[in-house]
Amino acid sequence: GQSLEQPSEVTAVEGAIVQINCTYQTSGFYGLSWYQQHDGGAPTFLSYNALDGLEETGRFSSFLSRSDSYGYLLLQELQMKDSASYFCAVERDDKIIFGKGTRLHILP
Amino acid sequence: DAGVTQSPTHLIKTRGQHVTLRCSPISGHKSVSWYQQVLGQGPQFIFQYYEKEERGRGNFPDRFSARQFPNYSSELNVNALLLGDSALYLCASSLGGESDRRTSRYGYTFGSGTRLTVV
Repeated sequence: GQSLEQPSEVTAVEGAIVQINCTYQTSGFYGLSWYQQHDGGAPTFLSYNALDGLEETGRFSSFLSRSDSYGYLLLQELQMKDSASYFCAVERDDKIIFGKGTRLHILP
Repeated sequence: DAGVTQSPTHLIKTRGQHVTLRCSPISGHKSVSWYQQVLGQGPQFIFQYYEKEERGRGNFPDRFSARQFPNYSSELNVNALLLGDSALYLCASSLGGESDRRTSRYGYTFGSGTRLTVV
């Protein structure tokens, strides 16, 4: 089947670095995307990895390894406003599949 | 520029009724997709449309249907509502879809959603 696995919750300290992992059991997808969603808000696009390797966008970086069926989102210099849910997603056969999301808690 | 707009924002319906949700994409975006999101879960893909044609369909019953209009706006229709249809319904628009069907590379811009409650 097609599924994306993420940890349900992650806790980190303000100013620190946190990594949110995404493993998948699907092949033939186009790339790995990441979205952020605050409580009561809409998902917002963070990054897209078409190829293996690291993509950096400001404090956020995303990584993909197709050979390991694995990707991650790296958040640096954590701020309280980064408290949100984070979703990985893939597109395959004109369908978009989201993971169940990781709730990021940030401690002051 | 206006973002993706959805209407209504909230809706309460009775079991067995029909509902129509509306979405206007960002200007220039020809691809529209619909998702159902229940609390604590990721968005579940329902449909993707491009140039008025259905491009993709998720694992939802035939009670769910959609269409896209010449101005690229879209409607999601749900018939014979069940209690389990209560959820946040999200619409997203994206660039791409012409020669390259891979719309996810451009990122999806989501609307704020319609909160549907079925009682």
